Amino acid sequence: DSGVTQTPKHLITATGQRVTLRCSPRSGDLSVYWYQQSLDQGLQFLIQYYNGEERAKGNILERFSAQQFPDLHSELNLSSLELGDSALYFCASSVGPQGVGGNTIYFGEGSWLTVV
Amino acid sequence: SQKIEQNSEALNIQEGKTATLTCNYTNYSPAYLQWYRQDPGRGPVFLLLIRENEKEKRKERLKVTFDTTLKQSLFHITASQPADSATYLCAVYNQGGKLIFGQGTELSVKP
Repeated sequence: DSGVTQTPKHLITATGQRVTLRCSPRSGDLSVYWYQQSLDQGLQFLIQYYNGEERAKGNILERFSAQQFPDLHSELNLSSLELGDSALYFCASSVGPQGVGGNTIYFGEGSWLTVV
Repeated sequence: SQKIEQNSEALNIQEGKTATLTCNYTNYSPAYLQWYRQDPGRGPVFLLLIRENEKEKRKERLKVTFDTTLKQSLFHITASQPADSATYLCAVYNQGGKLIFGQGTELSVKP
């Protein structure tokens, strides 16, 4: 158990809908990261927050947004869903900002999103 | 742009042998390189981190090398066991400070 909690574990929704994925980082970790993993794309970095502020941004679609709240949990919002958004979405956390000191990050078990 | 390449072909080896996985990176010189293990449907789990001034690092049956001239890291599992079967990912922080992952290499250890 990495200590990173993600909910829901599985989600099936229709095209055009909006979903919210939730992540609670490990106790004491200030950074939260979101990754998308699909069969053909591998693990793709979406976005990172550090202590409530956006720190780094990857190839995150405009239909997707995220935030980190004062209690450090994070939510990833996916809207106008398309079939191609079906993937495993991982949240990860670390103590410090990404890129500093070779930060090790700890992954949650992921949220399986299926868009039908 | 920075790229990480791992052998996409699955590696099949016999129990007890040494598995060697390769990670090559281009257009970048990372200060650190990390290796993760991922089981199907699970989140990646950190295994080892190696710094650019470390040529080799060991942890139990795992050994990682880092050749900054070749821009390559090798990941070895000695005395492999069926329980070592998983996908192994290498990752580096790119110049934008993002931790980017290779596609991973699937390892299958047969008894």
